[in-house]
Amino acid sequence: GQQLNQSPQSMFIQEGEDVSMNCTSSSIFNTWLWYKQDPGEGPVLLIALYKAGELTSNGRLTAQFGITRKDSFLNISASIPSDVGIYFCAGQLGSNDYKLSFGAGTTVTVRA
Amino acid sequence: DVKVTQSSRYLVKRTGEKVFLECVQDMDHENMFWYRQDPGLGLRLIYFSYDVKMKEKGDIPEGYSVSREKKERFSLILESASTNQTSMYLCASSPGGRGDTQYFGPGTRLTVL
Repeated sequence: GQQLNQSPQSMFIQEGEDVSMNCTSSSIFNTWLWYKQDPGEGPVLLIALYKAGELTSNGRLTAQFGITRKDSFLNISASIPSDVGIYFCAGQLGSNDYKLSFGAGTTVTVRA
Repeated sequence: DVKVTQSSRYLVKRTGEKVFLECVQDMDHENMFWYRQDPGLGLRLIYFSYDVKMKEKGDIPEGYSVSREKKERFSLILESASTNQTSMYLCASSPGGRGDTQYFGPGTRLTVL
C-alpha cells in the first residue's frame, strides 16, 4: 500500500504545550483517520475525517482534512503526560477501497 | 463499543512450527484485516477479507495464509514459522461501505526462536 509522509518522526512534549503533527501524500484521499497506540497495545481510533476541509475535535484533539485532500493535521492542546505514545495517520484512497495506507507514526515523549 | 479480541497477547514458537493467530470481532463487521508492525516499517497489510470465505492478499502475504469460516472470526496462519516472522501482529475490522473506519485488536507479540 501507499505510504503516507508523516512528520515529525518524533517529538518531546512538556506538560501544557500544544503540539502538532501532519501527514501528506501525493495522492488524493477519500478519508483520513488518526490513531494513537500505547506501548504493547493496538492502535485506538481518535478522529475520523470524511470531507475535504472538515475540522473535527475530540476533547483536546483537533484534526483537519486538507482542502486539497492530500494532507491532514492533528493538534493536541494543553498536553498531559498520558498523551505519550505513537500517533498514526491513515488514509483511504477510494470509497470502494477496503484498504488503508498508513503513515510511519509520530512518537510523542514527555520532556524530562 | 467495537470490540476486537486476539487469542494471545504474547506467543513464543520455534522455527518450523505451524502457528495460528485468532481474531474475533463482535460488531458484525464485514471486513477483517491482518497487519504486522515492525519498528521503522509501520503497519503492513498481510491479508484481508471482505466476506466469509473471501480473502485478498495485502502487501506482504508471503509465508502466511488466512481463514475466514465465520463472519466474526479471522485466522492468520504461519505454515512454517521463521525467525523473520517475529513481530507484532494486529487484527482489525471495519463495518464495510463508504468512509470505512478500521478498529484494531490489542495485538499479539510473536517471537519465533
